[in-house]
Amino acid sequence: DQQVKQNSPSLSVQEGRISILNCDYTNSMFDYFLWYKKYPAEGPTFLISISSIKDKNEDGRFTVFLNKSAKHLSLHIVPSQPGDSAVYFCAAKGDNAGKSTFGDGTTLTVKP
Amino acid sequence: NAGVTQTPKFRVLKTGQSMTLLCAQDMNHEYMYWYRQDPGMGLRLIHYSVGEGTTAKGEVPDGYNVSRLKKQNFLLGLESAAPSQTSVYFCASSYPALEQYFGPGTRLTVT
Repeated sequence: DQQVKQNSPSLSVQEGRISILNCDYTNSMFDYFLWYKKYPAEGPTFLISISSIKDKNEDGRFTVFLNKSAKHLSLHIVPSQPGDSAVYFCAAKGDNAGKSTFGDGTTLTVKP
Repeated sequence: NAGVTQTPKFRVLKTGQSMTLLCAQDMNHEYMYWYRQDPGMGLRLIHYSVGEGTTAKGEVPDGYNVSRLKKQNFLLGLESAAPSQTSVYFCASSYPALEQYFGPGTRLTVT
């Protein structure tokens, strides 16, 4: 049973437009959510996070929204740039050991 | 700071051979993790450690062993490699409750 799901394997957007990446989770014990970005042949890098006590967190062009009742979060990138083309992983945490459960990732392609 | 480093970057093993992957971090993080990533899938946790001398099983621990003898190092061992262990292996470290920092990965092929 996959606890964190990213239902869109890929997303293609035009440069300058908004990219919206979605993530759903099933475990109500998750209380901290993160997005990581991964380029080919590199390790994932942290992008942005949100605690379950908030419903929005913003960092420059990146905003994460959390809807606890729907167990859904989304990452908005505005405006999208070609350098944003990468795989984006959603992750969720819910215990003191800091373990994260990852989704399968969404490949974002931003076209010039 | 080098961050998180992994050795080796690539390795090809024959079925039944053994090897050890080394992860090192210079950020004084308490927590360290080993993941594997297969094509089209997310990262799955193999083993993790919440401090020097401690280890625990993750989601997919079978066929792997780990040791954390020093705070900065986390070793992942394959005692008898199988083709199903062909994957990309990522090590990560973190402070408690914060984001993880990942190494560049080790691409392992078992023939």
